Amino acid sequence: EVQVVESGGGLVQPGRSLRLSCTASGFIFGDHGMNWFRQAPGKGLEWVGFIRTKAYGGTAEYGASVKGRFTISRDDSKSIAYLQMNSLKTEDTAVYYCTRGTWYGDYWGQGTLVTVSA
Amino acid sequence: ETVLTQSPGTLSLSPGERATLSCRATQAITTYLAWYQQKPGQAPRLLIYGAASRATGIPDRFSGSGSGTDFTLTINRLEPEDFAVYYCQQYGSSPWTFGQGTKVEIK
Repeated sequence: EVQVVESGGGLVQPGRSLRLSCTASGFIFGDHGMNWFRQAPGKGLEWVGFIRTKAYGGTAEYGASVKGRFTISRDDSKSIAYLQMNSLKTEDTAVYYCTRGTWYGDYWGQGTLVTVSA
Repeated sequence: ETVLTQSPGTLSLSPGERATLSCRATQAITTYLAWYQQKPGQAPRLLIYGAASRATGIPDRFSGSGSGTDFTLTINRLEPEDFAVYYCQQYGSSPWTFGQGTKVEIK
């Protein structure tokens, strides 16, 4: 069974950093790109970024609102994708979802809540 | 950036009726479009990718169509569990973007 599980969310002050993890199982992790999406409370969905497979360079792309502050990485030996979030802003408050797939998400985790507040 | 506009914002229907949801893109994305269903307190669930291909385990009452800039999600014979919010997402050009959602509610 394909599963992705996000962790690492919590309350953080503006300007600080937080790292989210996405632990995958049930598929060959190294064969798939991984996306991160987010959803602010009561709002719609927003794409955060994705990371390609190593076969395609393992590079990442980001949405404009997080580019330069967020970094996506992957550890294929552990089947984990990471979202490093720096210089957090109050508007980054959201549930963050990890999904399998580079273009769209075919399997989603339950999400992890990040609250940025003083 | 490709902007997606979904219509209507809310669709009020009865179980057994057909729902027709629209998603329009500001530039052509061929068939690089996905549809998701989201229920309160849950993660989104992929319904359709490639504009018309059903994801694994999705009932055949869900169908997608369209190409270029105009896309449609059709739900035939609404079941009680189909009342939810539906989002379209394009992956034809980065950044990937979503529509604002259509809520399908019980009339």
